[in-house]
Amino acid sequence: EIVLTQSPATLSLSPGERATLSCRASQSVSNYLAWYQQKPGQAPRLLIFDASNRATGIPARFSGSGSGTDFTLTISSLEPEDFAVYFCQQRSKWYTFGQGTKLEIK
Amino acid sequence: QVLLQESGPRQVKPSETLSLTCTVSGDSVSSGRFLWNWIRQFPGKGLEWMGDIYYTGNTNYNPSLKSRVTISVDTSKNQFSLSLSSVTAADTAVYFCAKESSSRTAFDVWGQGALVTVS
Repeated sequence: EIVLTQSPATLSLSPGERATLSCRASQSVSNYLAWYQQKPGQAPRLLIFDASNRATGIPARFSGSGSGTDFTLTISSLEPEDFAVYFCQQRSKWYTFGQGTKLEIK
Repeated sequence: QVLLQESGPRQVKPSETLSLTCTVSGDSVSSGRFLWNWIRQFPGKGLEWMGDIYYTGNTNYNPSLKSRVTISVDTSKNQFSLSLSSVTAADTAVYFCAKESSSRTAFDVWGQGALVTVS
């Protein structure tokens, strides 16, 4: 099983700042890496698929990069609605998810 | 716009079978374009993919659950279903149905989720 490790566990920032979230895979997943945003009481929302492709309707301030084992989600300038939990997910033989990064208001 | 809605009992007794159904609207499960999935989220917030199904009935399961999970499809009702046998308290979770994305590498539509408690 491919294990995804996200860091940091919690990130405290202010609106307008830049957020950088990391996801590391225990072995290469090529570019089959997705990112989700989840708010309390809601289902996860797909932000990025195949490492760097924004899903439909996702604002341009969200971007993804990386390949192989190291991936990054960047939010260029935080809006109040961006404070949430973010998960990465890979697709190799089957799907696994990271444990999440909580992005909180500083 | 594709919408998914989970339904089924929200409380199950230990050792019994958990059963949920996902009703699809806005698309047809028999279109053959996507796989249809079940994913659960534990109280500590970890997510686990359980398995998927194609309209033909072909399935893929998470190896950690393979002996207990069954996913089926009913194309006449535009639904797919989850059965998880021999449940314990550790199976308490929010259960989501989800649609595979066009890239076949992610999930782009999710149901609202169903909290199932084993007790």
